[in-house]
Amino acid sequence: EPEVTQTPSHQVTQMGQEVILRCVPISNHLYFYWYRQILGQKVEFLVSFYNNEISEKSEIFDDQFSVERPDGSNFTLKIRSTKLEDSAMYFCASSVGRGPFNEQFFGPGTRLTVL
Amino acid sequence: DAKTTQPPSMDCAEGRAANLPCNHSTISGNEYVYWYRQIHSQGPQYIIHGLKNNETNEMASLIITEDRKSSTLILPHATLRDTAVYYCIVRVASGNTGKLIFGQGTTLQVKP
Repeated sequence: EPEVTQTPSHQVTQMGQEVILRCVPISNHLYFYWYRQILGQKVEFLVSFYNNEISEKSEIFDDQFSVERPDGSNFTLKIRSTKLEDSAMYFCASSVGRGPFNEQFFGPGTRLTVL
Repeated sequence: DAKTTQPPSMDCAEGRAANLPCNHSTISGNEYVYWYRQIHSQGPQYIIHGLKNNETNEMASLIITEDRKSSTLILPHATLRDTAVYYCIVRVASGNTGKLIFGQGTTLQVKP
């Protein structure tokens, strides 16, 4: 069964450093998403991406965040200058479409720890 | 998207049916009810969705009340592997960017 994959599974970085989280969505999917979950809190939407541009972003997704689909298979989330409060699980998701019959498939997540 | 209310936690005996309620009293006519679950910090997993008719798939059944203001997710024979946080999400059918808004969900503990 096809699945969304994410690398690395765990990333440790120093505050102020740039990190890139990588995702490989399911191959025939067209819509891509990033969510995050701070430990003990709910899953929060960050950004949706379609046709090589951002469809919607949340208030969390400020200028420090960017997304890219560099090569037609990877989907990346970049945090330019990490802060302590960026420590969280980051989940990538993808779907064929965005209508009611298009479920989102989530990856296993990347745990980001900012020291 | 309409707001949902779920109990924070529930227990269920292994092998018994787990019935997870969700209140969505402000749901509008073009909004679907979705259920996802998250097993121990893994990525959320889609379970089922519906508009107004009851739905069943290999994982669960979804019962939506006639006025659509509430719904119940039923896991017919809960196993220990069904221990997870279950999220009820309401979302418009079209004109959206696909984002899912997760609440706190219901933590289901299946006990032997």
